Amino acid sequence: GNSVTQMEGPVTLSEEAFLTINCTYTATGYPSLFWYVQYPGEGLQLLLKATKADDKGSNKGFEATYRKETTSFHLEKGSVQVSDSAVYFCALSGGSTGNQFYFGTGTSLTVIP
Amino acid sequence: KAGVTQTPRYLIKTRGQQVTLSCSPISGHRSVSWYQQTPGQGLQFLFEYFSETQRNKGNFPGRFSGRQFSNSRSEMNVSTLELGDSALYLCASRAPSSYNEQFFGPGTRLTVL
Repeated sequence: GNSVTQMEGPVTLSEEAFLTINCTYTATGYPSLFWYVQYPGEGLQLLLKATKADDKGSNKGFEATYRKETTSFHLEKGSVQVSDSAVYFCALSGGSTGNQFYFGTGTSLTVIP
Repeated sequence: KAGVTQTPRYLIKTRGQQVTLSCSPISGHRSVSWYQQTPGQGLQFLFEYFSETQRNKGNFPGRFSGRQFSNSRSEMNVSTLELGDSALYLCASRAPSSYNEQFFGPGTRLTVL
Protein backbone atom coordinates (compact mmCIF):
# COMPACT_ATOMS: atom_id res chain seq x y z
CA GLY A 1 0.00 0.00 0.00
CA ASN A 2 0.91 3.66 0.09
CA SER A 3 3.09 4.85 2.94
CA VAL A 4 5.76 7.28 4.09
CA THR A 5 8.66 6.29 6.32
CA GLN A 6 10.68 8.89 8.20
CA MET A 7 13.77 8.55 10.30
CA GLU A 8 13.06 8.12 13.98
CA GLY A 9 13.62 11.04 16.29
CA PRO A 10 14.21 12.90 18.36
CA VAL A 11 17.13 14.64 16.72
CA THR A 12 19.27 17.08 18.70
CA LEU A 13 21.78 19.32 16.94
CA SER A 14 23.96 22.25 17.86
CA GLU A 15 23.31 25.57 16.17
CA GLU A 16 24.91 25.82 12.69
CA ALA A 17 25.10 22.03 12.31
CA PHE A 18 24.02 20.26 9.11
CA LEU A 19 20.59 18.65 9.15
CA THR A 20 19.32 15.63 7.25
CA ILE A 21 15.97 14.01 7.92
CA ASN A 22 15.43 10.92 5.79
CA CYS A 23 12.11 10.19 4.11
CA THR A 24 11.22 7.33 1.80
CA TYR A 25 7.86 6.53 0.29
CA THR A 26 5.86 3.73 -1.23
CA ALA A 27 3.43 4.62 -3.97
CA THR A 28 3.08 3.95 -7.64
CA GLY A 29 2.71 6.53 -10.32
CA TYR A 30 3.96 10.03 -9.74
CA PRO A 31 2.84 11.38 -6.37
CA SER A 32 3.59 14.88 -5.15
CA LEU A 33 5.87 15.04 -2.12
CA PHE A 34 5.76 17.50 0.76
CA TRP A 35 7.53 18.51 3.92
CA TYR A 36 5.48 20.10 6.67
CA VAL A 37 6.70 21.68 9.90
CA GLN A 38 4.82 21.96 13.18
CA TYR A 39 5.95 24.42 15.84
CA PRO A 40 4.83 23.88 19.44
CA GLY A 41 1.15 24.59 19.95
CA GLU A 42 0.44 25.16 16.28
CA GLY A 43 -0.96 23.34 13.26
CA LEU A 44 1.18 22.07 10.40
CA GLN A 45 2.68 24.49 7.88
CA LEU A 46 3.90 23.61 4.44
CA LEU A 47 7.69 23.92 4.31
CA LEU A 48 8.32 22.83 0.72
CA LYS A 49 7.03 20.54 -1.99
CA ALA A 50 8.01 18.82 -5.25
CA THR A 51 5.57 17.56 -7.84
CA LYS A 52 7.74 15.54 -10.22
CA ALA A 53 10.91 13.50 -10.30
CA ASP A 54 14.19 15.42 -9.90
CA ASP A 55 12.36 18.53 -8.72
CA LYS A 56 13.99 20.31 -5.81
CA GLY A 57 11.76 22.06 -3.31
CA SER A 58 13.33 24.77 -1.18
CA ASN A 59 12.28 27.28 1.45
CA LYS A 60 13.91 29.08 4.41
CA GLY A 61 17.24 27.34 3.72
CA PHE A 62 15.67 23.88 3.66
CA GLU A 63 15.88 21.70 0.54
CA ALA A 64 14.60 18.33 -0.60
CA THR A 65 14.96 16.59 -3.97
CA TYR A 66 12.37 14.19 -5.38
CA ARG A 67 14.33 11.02 -6.20
CA LYS A 68 12.11 8.52 -7.96
CA GLU A 69 14.85 5.93 -8.42
CA THR A 70 15.33 5.68 -4.65
CA THR A 71 11.74 6.73 -3.74
CA SER A 72 13.16 9.31 -1.37
CA PHE A 73 12.63 12.95 -0.43
CA HIS A 74 15.24 13.71 2.23
CA LEU A 75 15.11 17.09 3.98
CA GLU A 76 18.38 19.00 4.37
CA LYS A 77 19.57 22.29 5.77
CA GLY A 78 23.14 23.45 5.80
CA SER A 79 23.10 25.40 9.05
CA VAL A 80 20.27 25.01 11.54
CA GLN A 81 19.13 27.66 13.98
CA VAL A 82 17.45 27.44 17.35
CA SER A 83 14.26 28.68 15.68
CA ASP A 84 14.20 25.53 13.50
CA SER A 85 13.28 23.44 16.55
CA ALA A 86 10.00 21.79 15.59
CA VAL A 87 8.47 18.55 14.37
CA TYR A 88 8.92 17.79 10.66
CA PHE A 89 6.52 15.62 8.67
CA CYS A 90 7.08 14.10 5.24
CA ALA A 91 3.93 13.50 3.18
CA LEU A 92 2.73 12.41 -0.23
CA SER A 93 -0.41 12.73 -2.32
CA GLY A 94 -1.40 11.75 -5.83
CA GLY A 95 -0.14 8.89 -7.94
CA SER A 96 -1.69 5.65 -6.68
CA THR A 97 -2.94 7.45 -3.55
CA GLY A 98 -5.45 9.44 -5.54
CA ASN A 99 -6.15 12.61 -3.61
CA GLN A 100 -5.51 11.24 -0.15
CA PHE A 101 -2.55 12.51 1.86
CA TYR A 102 -0.22 10.10 3.63
CA PHE A 103 1.99 11.45 6.41
CA GLY A 104 5.09 10.06 8.05
CA THR A 105 5.27 9.76 11.82
CA GLY A 106 7.14 13.03 12.23
CA THR A 107 10.68 13.78 13.38
CA SER A 108 11.26 16.04 16.35
CA LEU A 109 14.22 18.38 15.99
CA THR A 110 15.78 20.33 18.84
CA VAL A 111 18.55 22.80 18.10
CA ILE A 112 20.66 23.89 21.05
CA PRO A 113 22.68 27.12 21.15
CA LYS B 1 -6.89 35.31 2.04
CA ALA B 2 -7.95 34.14 5.47
CA GLY B 3 -6.49 30.83 6.57
CA VAL B 4 -8.23 27.73 7.84
CA THR B 5 -10.06 28.44 11.07
CA GLN B 6 -11.15 25.97 13.70
CA THR B 7 -13.48 26.45 16.62
CA PRO B 8 -13.30 26.05 19.47
CA ARG B 9 -9.54 26.06 20.11
CA TYR B 10 -9.84 24.25 23.43
CA LEU B 11 -12.50 21.97 24.80
CA ILE B 12 -12.90 19.93 27.98
CA LYS B 13 -15.48 17.17 28.12
CA THR B 14 -16.21 14.17 30.29
CA ARG B 15 -16.47 10.54 29.29
CA GLY B 16 -19.72 9.62 27.60
CA GLN B 17 -20.44 13.10 26.31
CA GLN B 18 -20.40 14.07 22.67
CA VAL B 19 -18.58 16.92 20.97
CA THR B 20 -18.80 18.83 17.70
CA LEU B 21 -15.82 20.61 16.19
CA SER B 22 -16.00 23.10 13.38
CA CYS B 23 -13.69 23.97 10.51
CA SER B 24 -13.91 26.78 7.96
CA PRO B 25 -11.65 26.19 4.96
CA ILE B 26 -9.84 28.75 2.87
CA SER B 27 -12.20 30.46 0.48
CA GLY B 28 -12.48 28.45 -2.75
CA HIS B 29 -11.24 25.21 -1.24
CA ARG B 30 -13.79 22.43 -1.49
CA SER B 31 -11.79 19.65 0.13
CA VAL B 32 -11.62 19.41 3.92
CA SER B 33 -9.74 16.70 5.79
CA TRP B 34 -9.65 15.91 9.49
CA TYR B 35 -6.77 14.41 11.47
CA GLN B 36 -6.28 13.28 15.04
CA GLN B 37 -2.86 13.95 16.56
CA THR B 38 -1.70 12.29 19.77
CA PRO B 39 1.79 11.81 21.23
CA GLY B 40 1.47 8.03 21.04
CA GLN B 41 -0.15 7.56 17.61
CA GLY B 42 1.11 10.60 15.77
CA LEU B 43 -0.98 12.10 12.99
CA GLN B 44 -3.89 9.88 11.96
CA PHE B 45 -6.28 10.54 9.10
CA LEU B 46 -9.97 10.59 10.03
CA PHE B 47 -11.82 11.51 6.82
CA GLU B 48 -11.96 13.83 3.88
CA TYR B 49 -14.95 15.65 2.45
CA PHE B 50 -15.24 17.12 -1.00
CA SER B 51 -18.30 18.98 -2.22
CA GLU B 52 -20.38 17.69 0.71
CA THR B 53 -19.45 14.03 0.08
CA GLN B 54 -17.10 11.89 2.10
CA ARG B 55 -14.32 10.96 -0.30
CA ASN B 56 -11.90 9.07 1.92
CA LYS B 57 -12.11 7.58 5.38
CA GLY B 58 -9.50 6.46 7.87
CA ASN B 59 -9.66 3.59 10.29
CA PHE B 60 -11.66 5.05 13.14
CA PRO B 61 -14.79 3.70 14.87
CA GLY B 62 -18.25 4.88 13.91
CA ARG B 63 -18.31 7.21 16.93
CA PHE B 64 -16.34 9.59 14.74
CA SER B 65 -18.41 11.21 12.03
CA GLY B 66 -18.34 14.31 9.92
CA ARG B 67 -20.19 16.35 7.41
CA GLN B 68 -19.63 19.20 5.03
CA PHE B 69 -22.00 22.00 4.17
CA SER B 70 -22.65 23.67 0.85
CA ASN B 71 -20.32 26.55 1.80
CA SER B 72 -17.54 23.93 2.34
CA ARG B 73 -17.48 24.44 6.10
CA SER B 74 -17.12 21.13 7.88
CA GLU B 75 -17.95 19.68 11.25
CA MET B 76 -16.80 16.55 12.94
CA ASN B 77 -18.63 14.86 15.76
CA VAL B 78 -17.43 12.39 18.33
CA SER B 79 -20.07 10.60 20.34
CA THR B 80 -19.71 8.70 23.60
CA LEU B 81 -16.31 10.21 24.34
CA GLU B 82 -13.54 8.05 25.76
CA LEU B 83 -10.40 9.09 27.59
CA GLY B 84 -8.37 8.01 24.57
CA ASP B 85 -10.12 10.60 22.40
CA SER B 86 -8.08 13.32 24.08
CA ALA B 87 -6.04 14.76 21.25
CA LEU B 88 -5.36 17.69 18.98
CA TYR B 89 -7.85 17.58 16.10
CA LEU B 90 -6.56 19.23 12.95
CA CYS B 91 -8.51 20.31 9.93
CA ALA B 92 -6.92 20.95 6.55
CA SER B 93 -8.26 22.31 3.29
CA ARG B 94 -6.89 22.16 -0.22
CA ALA B 95 -7.66 23.38 -3.69
CA PRO B 96 -8.58 20.75 -6.30
CA SER B 97 -5.76 18.64 -7.80
CA SER B 98 -3.53 16.16 -6.08
CA TYR B 99 -0.56 18.43 -6.78
CA ASN B 100 -1.85 20.92 -4.27
CA GLU B 101 -0.83 21.07 -0.68
CA GLN B 102 -3.11 20.98 2.30
CA PHE B 103 -3.40 24.06 4.48
CA PHE B 104 -3.88 23.33 8.14
CA GLY B 105 -5.80 25.14 10.82
CA PRO B 106 -4.41 25.65 14.34
CA GLY B 107 -6.36 22.69 15.70
CA THR B 108 -8.83 22.05 18.51
CA ARG B 109 -7.33 20.65 21.68
CA LEU B 110 -9.87 18.21 23.17
CA THR B 111 -9.40 16.93 26.69
CA VAL B 112 -11.65 14.14 27.93
CA LEU B 113 -11.84 13.70 31.71
